[in-house]
Amino acid sequence: DVKVTQSSRYLVKRTGEKVFLECVQDMDHENMFWYRQDPGLGLRLIYFSYDVKMKEKGDIPEGYSVSREKKERFSLILESASTNQTSMYLCASSLEREYGELFFGEGSRLTVL
Amino acid sequence: AQTVTQSQPEMSVQEAETVTLSCTYDTSESDYYLFWYKQPPSRQMILVIRQEAYKQQNATENRFSVNFQKAAKSFSLKISDSQLGDAAMYFCAYRSGDTLAGSYQLTFGKGTKLSVIP
Repeated sequence: DVKVTQSSRYLVKRTGEKVFLECVQDMDHENMFWYRQDPGLGLRLIYFSYDVKMKEKGDIPEGYSVSREKKERFSLILESASTNQTSMYLCASSLEREYGELFFGEGSRLTVL
Repeated sequence: AQTVTQSQPEMSVQEAETVTLSCTYDTSESDYYLFWYKQPPSRQMILVIRQEAYKQQNATENRFSVNFQKAAKSFSLKISDSQLGDAAMYFCAYRSGDTLAGSYQLTFGKGTKLSVIP
């Protein structure tokens, strides 16, 4: 089975801190994604990557950056966390070919105080 | 840009009954994929069912089936013989059929929370 692992299920950070959310997948998927999930807003795409060192902005990239140094790992970075970044963050991966089914991690719930 | 609309924020169904979740989408493309994902409480999101736009036949996976109306841009999910384990958030999603690299992101609706009443 495909496994997408997010390093932290729950994090509490302070305003202004730098935050790293790590995601690793074990199925050699080309594509990786970071979504943000908020009640009543659904899932919104922050960034995605279709190859190592390649990244593309999604719908809400402001305040975030990403890093993909290795194919299996995709990191989301909050350079200076703010309270409006309190949310659930979901990582997902997919194959380049076929219909692109997304495989999700369990999510990282970030609280910024 | 494509949009996906789920007009029912919450729904409930009696155990063993049938429920239909609605989804509409807006696109100018003719080739695309549609998905229903399920997110149980505190658990990861998983794919329930998918539909290729070029296929006229509605997709079916056991108790889950879709009613795909391409002209109306409608993609509803029907759950038959509802079970307690079906209680979850359900998200409808759209993906372009464009095969250019970098075009595999999904656009999601806001979700429908389904409760199953014993």
